[in-house]
Amino acid sequence: GAGVSQTPSNKVTEKGKYVELRCDPISGHTALYWYRQSLGQGPEFLIYFQGTGAADDSGLPNDRFFAVRPEGSVSTLKIQRTERGDSAVYLCASSSYGGDDTQYFGPGTRLTVL
Amino acid sequence: AQSVTQLDSQVPVFEEAPVELRCNYSSSVSVYLFWYVQYPNQGLQLLLKYLSGSTLVKGINGFEAEFNKSQTSFHLRKPSVHISDTAEYFCAVSKNAGGTSYGKLTFGQGTILTVHP
Repeated sequence: GAGVSQTPSNKVTEKGKYVELRCDPISGHTALYWYRQSLGQGPEFLIYFQGTGAADDSGLPNDRFFAVRPEGSVSTLKIQRTERGDSAVYLCASSSYGGDDTQYFGPGTRLTVL
Repeated sequence: AQSVTQLDSQVPVFEEAPVELRCNYSSSVSVYLFWYVQYPNQGLQLLLKYLSGSTLVKGINGFEAEFNKSQTSFHLRKPSVHISDTAEYFCAVSKNAGGTSYGKLTFGQGTILTVHP
């Protein structure tokens, strides 16, 4: 079956612009995670959804970052007033139920803020 | 809070040699432990995980890892590597709160394994 997909694969934007990054999880997975991976670093947790609700958004760095999952499937990560420091690969993962279940990762969206 | 330290940023090795990638973690609560692999231009893929039970865990592609609670380590090993094992490897932990862990992963910085012919 299809894995986790993310669009776009690459996004180049200018400082101050608004961007949206999309994640399509594996069908039927109720848990969805967003991570951010900066160059030379491991992924860092941003937010976790269980169904439609954000169960843990403790990793969002500031209020410029926001994520939604209105129907409990597709999720969108939204970044307002982008800064050069937001440049990174944004990873999405999904799992059947959360907890200790295996997380399946998408290929990521590489965001470059000029 | 949890933290993960991968002690080697790069590990070069010759084909068919054994390899060990080191991982230590810090946590005030019990944790689940994971190793992920990232091949060039691909997403992270789970190699193996430790949840409970036997401390020796076997994963895909001939990899195994051993959980050592006293040393807070979860080193990854393979007795004989192939060129195709060249990739970046990440150790990760999540909080084990009696089954109520949300699965939030804390990753190490990664180890780049390069297998030479």
